[in-house]
Amino acid sequence: DIQLTQSASFLSASVGDRVTITCRASQDISNDLAWYQQKPGKAPNLLIYAASTLQSGVPSRFSGSGSGTEFTLTISSLQPEDFATYYCQQLNTYPLTFGPGTKVDTK
Amino acid sequence: QVQLVESGGGAVQPGRSLRLSCAASGFTFSRYAMHWVRQAPGKGPEWVALIWYDGDKKYYADSVKGRFAISRDNSKDTLYLRMNSLRAEDTAVYYCVRGKVGGIFYFEYWGQGTLVTVPS
Repeated sequence: DIQLTQSASFLSASVGDRVTITCRASQDISNDLAWYQQKPGKAPNLLIYAASTLQSGVPSRFSGSGSGTEFTLTISSLQPEDFATYYCQQLNTYPLTFGPGTKVDTK
Repeated sequence: QVQLVESGGGAVQPGRSLRLSCAASGFTFSRYAMHWVRQAPGKGPEWVALIWYDGDKKYYADSVKGRFAISRDNSKDTLYLRMNSLRAEDTAVYYCVRGKVGGIFYFEYWGQGTLVTVPS
């Protein structure tokens, strides 16, 4: 199975900060990666697919980059509604797997 | 608009069975592959199973292979998950998920989830 690790389990930030979350894959997954945001009590919400394509309706302050084994999700200027947990997900190989998550909370 | 409504969750004793349902609306159900994804309390999501649009192909996570069965009834716009030999580690919220157009492995639409609890 392809394992995904994320750079931090928790990240403290303030409104207006630039936030970067890293996801690493245990083997080359090309650009077969997505990012999701999840708020308490809600289902995850697709933000980025194909590593860098912004999902329709998602604010442009979110961006994704990377390929192969290293990927990043960047929030250019953190907004109050962005405090949440973020997960990466690979779709290169069965089983489809998620990273452990990074919770962004207020500093 | 796309709606996915799960039902059938609840508390069940270890070793017993349960069947989850997901009623789909707002799109042509028979044209889309569908997934079940679960999330244990305080944990990240875990993909469980995938069924092709016509039911021809099915894929499972290793953790449920041989115990769970995904199926669909396109005449009823409904997705199912039959769960047998349930274990404590199957305790989770189970989500019915539709993939993106042109990218079925990206989880674009999620239901509200149904909670399955298996005591240890």
